[in-house]
Amino acid sequence: GEDVEQSLFLSVREGDSSVINCTYTDSSSTYLYWYKQEPGAGLQLLTYIFSNMDMKQDQRLTVLLNKKDKHLSLRIADTQTGDSAIYFCAESGTASKLTFGTGTRLQVTL
Amino acid sequence: NAGVMQNPRHLVRRRGQEARLRCSPMKGHSHVYWYRQLPEEGLKFMVYLQKENIIDESGMPKERFSAEFPKEGPSILRIQQVVRGDSAAYFCASSRTKGRGMNTEAFFGQGTRLTVV
Repeated sequence: GEDVEQSLFLSVREGDSSVINCTYTDSSSTYLYWYKQEPGAGLQLLTYIFSNMDMKQDQRLTVLLNKKDKHLSLRIADTQTGDSAIYFCAESGTASKLTFGTGTRLQVTL
Repeated sequence: NAGVMQNPRHLVRRRGQEARLRCSPMKGHSHVYWYRQLPEEGLKFMVYLQKENIIDESGMPKERFSAEFPKEGPSILRIQQVVRGDSAAYFCASSRTKGRGMNTEAFFGQGTRLTVV
């Protein structure tokens, strides 16, 4: 079945860039997503990328997709304390459901 | 335009009781998804429903769990005879059409945190 993996934890200093990585196994993935979850809250869609794209930029966020290696990354420029949260990578293939990674907890220090 | 509304936000049940979780999708959305998040884990797909139909229930446990999305009213996730292992956050998402891509973005509710004591 589909599998999505992420590292569990990342700590960065305020103002630095954060890079959160994700690998997936489903070669039929058509869309890949990044969600943000703050404590006690639901999931907020940050950005997504279609599988025929290599890169997508949206303000401070840059998504890179290496389809050959099934590797997705999210770069957050000028990381702020408000960016502290859990970030989930997710993919959807031929089905409508989303398969999520275990989440990367981003800690931003002063 | 209110977002996806889930209630209750927190639910405590004793072992053996029933839990009923409600999800009202966004206005105009006819597709509903339920996900479960165990502590320190990602979200796992449970079931996908359209109005009055279950489309994909491949993630639902075979026993004690059921879901519905009636013509009128919210979608309900029902857990009978709850056990401690059912303690988790249950998230509902809705979309206007099939949930792929930005035009069919799935919006998530705040979740219901179920604690079984």
